[in-house]
Amino acid sequence: AQSVTQPDIHITVSEGASLELRCNYSYGATPYLFWYVQSPGQGLQLLLKYFSGDTLVQGIKGFEAEFKRSQSSFNLRKPSVHWSDAAEYFCAVAFGSSASKIIFGSGTRLSIRP
Amino acid sequence: NAGVTQTPKFRVLKTGQSMTLLCAQDMNHEYMYWYRQDPGMGLRLIHYSVGEGTTAKGEVPDGYNVSRLKKQNFLLGLESAAPSQTSVYFCASRTQTGNYGYTFGSGTRLTVV
Repeated sequence: AQSVTQPDIHITVSEGASLELRCNYSYGATPYLFWYVQSPGQGLQLLLKYFSGDTLVQGIKGFEAEFKRSQSSFNLRKPSVHWSDAAEYFCAVAFGSSASKIIFGSGTRLSIRP
Repeated sequence: NAGVTQTPKFRVLKTGQSMTLLCAQDMNHEYMYWYRQDPGMGLRLIHYSVGEGTTAKGEVPDGYNVSRLKKQNFLLGLESAAPSQTSVYFCASRTQTGNYGYTFGSGTRLTVV
């Protein structure tokens, strides 16, 4: 069965420090992978997506993610975090005909230390 | 602004009451989805629709019904609300092809007492 695992429930980093949020997936075929961000009281906003090709993808707000098929991972990174990056981050995988179904990980809450 | 609109934004129900959540999108998207979000569990898919007049079950469909009579609207119904259905509900939509990223609504916070 398809699944998405985000092993870190809560991460705190200092402003200006680098960030890596982990995501592992279970899916038999080539996955479509996403990272979303959710600010408090808001819906989810798409940060970036991977369909095929270059395994390092760039997204909005200075985020990037790398797809590693051998590790079934799609980790999110940012070289230098800003206080405004404090939010909850969700990894997701799409499958089915026309990638019609997307399932989400349980999320990682990011706090920024001044 | 174009996007996904959910109504209502907040609601308190008594156990056994019924209600309908409305999701409307003006982007001509074919696919629409209802998710529920609970602490520590991410978003779980309740039902989804790949076109007008079609619906399908997601991960947690029990206790919910949906209808997609018009392409722009996707309704989520609770026939007999239970405290376990206390959650934040999100609607999302996307095109059938190309960009598979969802557009999300801002959510409906439902409390069942």
